[in-house]
Amino acid sequence: EPEVTQTPSHQVTQMGQEVILRCVPISNHLYFYWYRQILGQKVEFLVSFYNNEISEKSEIFDDQFSVERPDGSNFTLKIRSTKLEDSAMYFCASRANRESEKLFFGSGTQLSVL
Amino acid sequence: QQPVQSPQAVILREGEDAVINCSSSKALYSVHWYRQKHGEAPVFLMILLKGGEQKGHEKISASFNEKKQQSSLYLTASQLSYSGTYFCGTESGGYQKVTFGTGTKLQVIP
Repeated sequence: EPEVTQTPSHQVTQMGQEVILRCVPISNHLYFYWYRQILGQKVEFLVSFYNNEISEKSEIFDDQFSVERPDGSNFTLKIRSTKLEDSAMYFCASRANRESEKLFFGSGTQLSVL
Repeated sequence: QQPVQSPQAVILREGEDAVINCSSSKALYSVHWYRQKHGEAPVFLMILLKGGEQKGHEKISASFNEKKQQSSLYLTASQLSYSGTYFCGTESGGYQKVTFGTGTKLQVIP
């Protein structure tokens, strides 16, 4: 089965530093998402992306966050100035089309902010 | 607003059955079910579309009651491999995002 690839698997950073989390969605998919999960808690929606623009974002996704699809294959999440509470597992997901196809999740990036 | 799942946690012996419920305050277009093992990504189980259909295979199935905005996941004759956290995910309008529920931690013991 095709896979969503995320790098790095672990990222440790100092508070206030910028981080970029990378994802390669499945090649013919059109919809892309970032979710995060704080240890032991629910999977929280951050942002959805379609046709090279954000289609929806949550209240978590403030000005410190941004997403890009710079080259037609990678899908990145940038956190400009990390906070301690940004520590979480970040999952990228992609989807073939809007008609309720399943989400394919990557294996996640564990972000630790010290 | 996120869907609410019940129970929050359940412990089963191998071979026992379980039902996990998911309830939303919003009208739903579809409901997804995922299982997550510790430290791993959620894995898709099934999608149910509005229309009240029941889906699944012999041991894991689900129903969707559109009018009540509820879905239930049925696990029969549980196996050790069923252990994990189960999340429902709901879609309302727009079909752009899936909102995940509060999660149900299932542990199957020998």
